[in-house]
Amino acid sequence: DAGVIQSPRHEVTEMGQEVTLRCKLISGHNSLFWYRQTMMRGLELLIYFNNNVPIDDSGMPEDRFSAKMPNASFSTLKIQPSEPRDSAVYFCASSLDPGPYNEQFFGPGTRLTVL
Amino acid sequence: DAKTTQPPSMDCAEGRAANLPCNHSTISGNEYVYWYRQIHSQGPQYIIHGLKNNETNEMASLIITEDRKSSTLILPHATLRDTAVYYCIVRVPGGGADGLTFGKGTHLIIQP
Repeated sequence: DAGVIQSPRHEVTEMGQEVTLRCKLISGHNSLFWYRQTMMRGLELLIYFNNNVPIDDSGMPEDRFSAKMPNASFSTLKIQPSEPRDSAVYFCASSLDPGPYNEQFFGPGTRLTVL
Repeated sequence: DAKTTQPPSMDCAEGRAANLPCNHSTISGNEYVYWYRQIHSQGPQYIIHGLKNNETNEMASLIITEDRKSSTLILPHATLRDTAVYYCIVRVPGGGADGLTFGKGTHLIIQP
């Protein structure tokens, strides 16, 4: 299996532009997590889906952020409009729930820079 | 999730055992101890987890004290590639809001 796939790996955009980050889950997994990592705040959970249903979005910073799962294997995280403070590395992770360990498998991340 | 306390950084010589401590004095009876690590510029990686018994896999060993208030992750023969930030997390696996709550972790530096 190729693991969790994220695209793009790097994104540079200007303030006010729309940004869409993409994530493909590991085949057979049914839980999807979006995290954000910055130097100041570390790794933070943004939103979590189970079987395509959003379970907890309390970590989503504000209405500019939205996440969807159009199908069981794919997710998008959209920021509109983007702001410089959104600059961070965004990770998605997938897991099988319930599963023997409930371990989460992380993708390589998308480094977002908003100028 | 219960909170954990880890030293911010540690050094270890290559080839020696690296012992990373974690305090979780408020852990609940149904919470497991999980360890993840994050190598620079990569996503976090699962290492091992346990409830109350000691556990071992191909990556590491996990020693949990009898009162479960602390644990130690052991990398038996550390290599330069083990340089990473190691996160100790306590959680109930599965169900509800199952995201991971990451603290600051321990930055382990393996010295040649």
